Amino acid sequence: EVELVESGGGLVQPGGSLSLSCAASGFSFSTYWMSWVRQAPGKGLEWVANIKEDGSEIHYGDSVKGRFTISRDNAKKSVYLQMNSLRAEDTAVYYCAKDTYSGTSFFDYWGHGILVTVSS
Amino acid sequence: DIQMTQSPSSLSASIGDRVTITCRASQSIGMYLNWYQQKPGKAPKFLIYSASSLQSGVPSRFSGSGSGTDFTLTISNLQPEDFATYFCQQSYSVPKTFGQGTKLEIK
Repeated sequence: EVELVESGGGLVQPGGSLSLSCAASGFSFSTYWMSWVRQAPGKGLEWVANIKEDGSEIHYGDSVKGRFTISRDNAKKSVYLQMNSLRAEDTAVYYCAKDTYSGTSFFDYWGHGILVTVSS
Repeated sequence: DIQMTQSPSSLSASIGDRVTITCRASQSIGMYLNWYQQKPGKAPKFLIYSASSLQSGVPSRFSGSGSGTDFTLTISNLQPEDFATYFCQQSYSVPKTFGQGTKLEIK
């Protein structure tokens, strides 16, 4: 059974940093892209970033480019999101998602989500 | 960036009804369109890929159609567990973008 478990969320002051982790199990982690998707309170879904199976290709959403860094450790079956220069508008539940590419691409499995609150 | 626009933003329906949700892309995306269902406090659940292909385990009362810029999600014979928010998402190009969501409520 596929399982994705996020950790590392919490309260941080504007301008601060936070690092999220996502531990994967139940599938061949090193053969799949992975994504982070976030959802501000009461709002819709926003794709944040994704990373290729071997980490050789990375993409970011415009709102986080230059501030967030996605990375992965295939030996630990984990994907990470380093968030710097945090703003109030980064407050959201952050989901880790398995990003399957198979002719097309889709997020077929999601973690439970972790709340990040940026506030003074 | 490709903008995805869903309509309506919300709708009310009864058990057993058939409902249709529309998703429009700001440019042609072929059939690179996915649908997700989200219930309050839960992660999204993947329903449909490539506009019309049902993910394994998703009930057949869910169906999708469309190509290019206009897509629909149809739910036939609504069941109590179907009342949720639905999101479309394009996978044609990065950044991967979602529609704003359609909240389906019980009438």
